[in-house]
Amino acid sequence: AQKVTQAQTEISVVEKEDVTLDCVYETRDTTYYLFWYKQPPSGELVFLIRRNSFDEQNEISGRYSWNFQKSTSSFNFTITASQVVDSAVYFCALSDIYSGAGSYQLTFGKGTKLSVIP
Amino acid sequence: ETGVTQTPRHLVMGMTNKKSLKCEQHLGHNAMYWYKQSAKKPLELMFVYSLEERVENNSVPSRFSPECPNSSHLFLHLHTLQPEDSALYLCASSQEADRDTYPYEQYFGPGTRLTVT
Repeated sequence: AQKVTQAQTEISVVEKEDVTLDCVYETRDTTYYLFWYKQPPSGELVFLIRRNSFDEQNEISGRYSWNFQKSTSSFNFTITASQVVDSAVYFCALSDIYSGAGSYQLTFGKGTKLSVIP
Repeated sequence: ETGVTQTPRHLVMGMTNKKSLKCEQHLGHNAMYWYKQSAKKPLELMFVYSLEERVENNSVPSRFSPECPNSSHLFLHLHTLQPEDSALYLCASSQEADRDTYPYEQYFGPGTRLTVT
């Protein structure tokens, strides 16, 4: 069965510090996809990245970077020089099985609440 | 109007009431979703609709009834709810995937905060 573990429930950092959010996943499939979403206080989840299991290259987008390591089943997310606007709950998710109705089953972690203190 | 909108944003209802949540997407997507977000639990997918199909999570009680009249609108009809149904209900939409594609990212609305008294 699929499982996503975000062991850090809450993290607080001071503005401009770097912070890494951990994500560990479990799946029996060789083809799967990993996602990160951000949920600001306004409520809507915002898509950040999708990575497939065959692409282990790390990705950088501005202050955001992602480290995918199949050997440890991890897909960690780092924010460099954090800002107050980064304060949100961040969700890691795993998708591997086509479940019908044009969708794949998406298993979310419980989320990590990040607070960036000015 | 952009993205995914949900109304109402907040709803308080008694256990004997009947109410409906509404979701509308303006992104041209063909798949729409209802999720339940409870405190300290992972997001739980309740229902998925596309043009041809509906998929539901078998653990969702029958007091939740979805309706998808077209690809832009999605409703969740609520009746005789229980206090444990209090949660944030999120609607999302995406392009329609199939077995030969990858899962597309989902776009979420701001949610309806439901309180059952």
